[in-house]
Amino acid sequence: AQTVTQSQPEMSVQEAETVTLSCTYDTSESDYYLFWYKQPPSRQMILVIRQEAYKQQNATENRFSVNFQKAAKSFSLKISDSQLGDAAMYFCAYRKANNQGGKLIFGQGTELSVKP
Amino acid sequence: EPEVTQTPSHQVTQMGQEVILRCVPISNHLYFYWYRQILGQKVEFLVSFYNNEISEKSEIFDDQFSVERPDGSNFTLKIRSTKLEDSAMYFCASRGQAPNQPQHFGDGTRLSIL
Repeated sequence: AQTVTQSQPEMSVQEAETVTLSCTYDTSESDYYLFWYKQPPSRQMILVIRQEAYKQQNATENRFSVNFQKAAKSFSLKISDSQLGDAAMYFCAYRKANNQGGKLIFGQGTELSVKP
Repeated sequence: EPEVTQTPSHQVTQMGQEVILRCVPISNHLYFYWYRQILGQKVEFLVSFYNNEISEKSEIFDDQFSVERPDGSNFTLKIRSTKLEDSAMYFCASRGQAPNQPQHFGDGTRLSIL
């Protein structure tokens, strides 16, 4: 069965600095998708960034970028120029590609705090 | 931008009662999901729904739970005979047809069982 592990329960970053959140996953599949979701105190689940496993190029979305290492099964999120509004719980998630249901498997989450 | 909407935002129910959580997915989406998040824990998959039937369900989704798409817009989760441990945040999500489309989540319904 696929699993997703986030080994950092909490992280802290100074405003305007850069922080990297770690995620590893375990799968025997070759084709899949990876996502980072943000959950602020309001408890919404907001998509931050996604990566398709067949793409070698790392995804970027403005200040957010990933370091996708397929062989190592690692998918870290880098947040540059951190802002106070980035403070939230961040979840890494995996989805098998060839799956009719397409369920997401989430990691345990990393609570990010941003210091002014 | 279209979004997934969930009602109510907060539901308080006595143990043993039935609850129905409602969701309106994004209109052109075809895949629908329910997830659960117990306070302080990770988000867990409950069930996925496609083409008017359940496509996958987790071990959590036992006979106590059911889903329905009663019309062209709503997607509901029914929990029969609620238990204290059903207290959680319930998220609905939907996804478009293309395989690489991400799931879009609603704001969740906080369910409190007394």
